[in-house]
Amino acid sequence: EVQLVESGGGVVQPGGSLRLACAASGFTFDDYAMFWVRQAPGKGLDWVSLIGGDGRNTYYADSVKGRFNISKDNSRNFLYLQMNSLRTEDTALYYCAKRSASGTGLDFWGQGTLVTVSS
Amino acid sequence: QSALAQPRSVSGSPGQSVTISCTGTYSDVGGYNYVSWYQQHPGKAPRLMIYDVNKRPSGVPDRFSGSKSGNTASLTISGLQADDEADYYCCSYADNFSYVFGTGTTVTVL
Repeated sequence: EVQLVESGGGVVQPGGSLRLACAASGFTFDDYAMFWVRQAPGKGLDWVSLIGGDGRNTYYADSVKGRFNISKDNSRNFLYLQMNSLRTEDTALYYCAKRSASGTGLDFWGQGTLVTVSS
Repeated sequence: QSALAQPRSVSGSPGQSVTISCTGTYSDVGGYNYVSWYQQHPGKAPRLMIYDVNKRPSGVPDRFSGSKSGNTASLTISGLQADDEADYYCCSYADNFSYVFGTGTTVTVL
């Protein structure tokens, strides 16, 4: 059974940093691209970043480029999101998600970890 | 990377069909056959309903179908059921290895 469990969320002041983690199990982790998607309270889904299965290729939304860094530890089956220079508009529930083997959809999602940026 | 445009809400009676549109540009929806749709119930994680415009993952009822014409993708729910009441989001691959979600649509079963 595929499981994705996020952790690392919390309250941080503007300009601060936070590192999110996503523990993956139930599938061959290094075979799949992984995503971070966020959802501000009461708002819609917002793509943040993606990383290729082998961890070499990374891509970011313009809103986080230069501030966030996605990485993948295939030996421990963990996905990470290092978030620096946080802004109040980064406040959201952050989901990790796995891309499907047979297409571009995201077929499994974690339950999310909440990041609150506030002074 | 502007969000794809979706209607804020649609509604229908049980057994009826509803269609949700998702409008983008030639840089996302129109340029690639990589549109997916997600269902999200309150307080829950999203669930993949359609991928690559019109493909259904295993376990998704065939009442859900997807299509695309030009810069607009659509999700149709036939034989509407009470449990279909949820928020629905489209998502498209876009230029420069990016993705963009839609603004979201609330489906209400009357």
